[in-house]
Order: sequence, then structure tokens, then C-alpha cells
Amino acid sequence: QVQLVESGGGVVQPRRSLRLSCAASEFTFSTYAMHWVRQAPGKGLEWVAVISYDGSEKYYADSVKGRFTISRDNSKNAVYLQMSSLRAEDTAIYYCARDPTVAGTELYFDYWGQGTLVTVSS
Amino acid sequence: QVVLTQSPSASASLGASVKLTCTLSSGHSSYAIAWHQQQPEKGPRFLMKVNTDGSHIKGDGTPDRFSGSSSGAERYLIISSLQSEDEADYYCQTWGPGVHWVFGGGTKLTVL
Repeated sequence: QVQLVESGGGVVQPRRSLRLSCAASEFTFSTYAMHWVRQAPGKGLEWVAVISYDGSEKYYADSVKGRFTISRDNSKNAVYLQMSSLRAEDTAIYYCARDPTVAGTELYFDYWGQGTLVTVSS
Repeated sequence: QVVLTQSPSASASLGASVKLTCTLSSGHSSYAIAWHQQQPEKGPRFLMKVNTDGSHIKGDGTPDRFSGSSSGAERYLIISSLQSEDEADYYCQTWGPGVHWVFGGGTKLTVL
């Protein structure tokens, strides 16, 4: 059973930084692209970032480009989201999700985690 | 850029069937989409990918009660023999140049 477990969320002040982690298990992590998706309170889903299986390709939503960085460590079966210059509008539950392909070339995500809540507030 | 439109809410009775709709924006009627279910206080769960011809690929564990179809720019999720645990938010998803991955606004399904 594929498992994705996010951690690292919490309350953070505006303009500060936070790093989220996603621990993957029960599949060969190094052969899949991975995504971060967020959901503001009471709102819908918004794609944030993707990283290819080997970390060589990364893409970001315009709303986070230049502030967020996605990375992965295949030796630890983990993907990360480094968030900087945080704003109130970044407040959301952040989910990691698996892409069915190595390079992120499919239109959907086949497994999701349970999410971690990030609250940006002074 | 591709936009996905969903009705905010839908309802149907226990044991009945319901059809949820996801509409692709003008010029994008050839796009495939995927459906995800999000039960209250849980992460989303992939249900299926629906192609332009109505064929679909289901996720692991997606019940047979769930099926997909397609007509023009509309993609459907059909749920038969509704159960209480089907009460959830349903999101459609696709990919497009410029927007990368995009979701519809979601439909909140109430089982009466």
C-alpha cells in the first residue's frame, strides 16, 4: 500500500521560511515524479510544484515561483518543499502526491498524502 | 489556457445514481481529465482518468460503482448505488501548457 506522509507544517510569521517533508514508502520512490498541491481553508486544490524522478527537472506554479523550492532525496525516500517569503495567502493544507510517470508527464496524480497545515500569521 | 468548470454542489438519494460533470473550456474539448474524491478531513484519492472517447483507467481500489464517460467538452463521473461514504468533494483535473496541472473548483456531493 503506497504511503505518503507529510510533516513540517505549523504557524509561521509572514516573510519567514518553513520546510515541509513528505516521506514515501511501499513503492520504488526513485522511479516516480512527485508533486506538492495545496488547499486553502474551505477552498479547492491548487498545484504548487513538481520534481522529476531524479531531481533534474522542476516546475512551479506562478504563485510560488521564486519563493518555493522543491527537492528530493532518493536515498531517504523523501520529497521536500522549502517555502520562503511566506504570505498570508500561502495558508493552506499542503499535500504531496505521486505522479504515475518518471518525468511528470501524466495529467493526474495517482496517490496522495493526508496533508500538513501551514498557517501564515503574525 | 485550459479551465475546468464544475457545479458547486449536487445531491442524490442513498442507493440512487448521480452524474457529476466537468466541462473543459473552449478549444480544449480533446483533453482527457481525471477525477479525485476528497472525503471530509481527508486527503484526495484518485478515482479514474477519463479519455475523450469515454474510456477510463481506474485507480487502485476504485469501486465498480464508479464509472466515467465523455461527450464533447464534458467529462462525467457516474456513481451508482450511492452509499453514505460517497458523500464527499469531487475534483476534476487536467494538464495544459502554461497552467501545468489544473483542477476544477470541485463539486460537493450530498447523499440524502
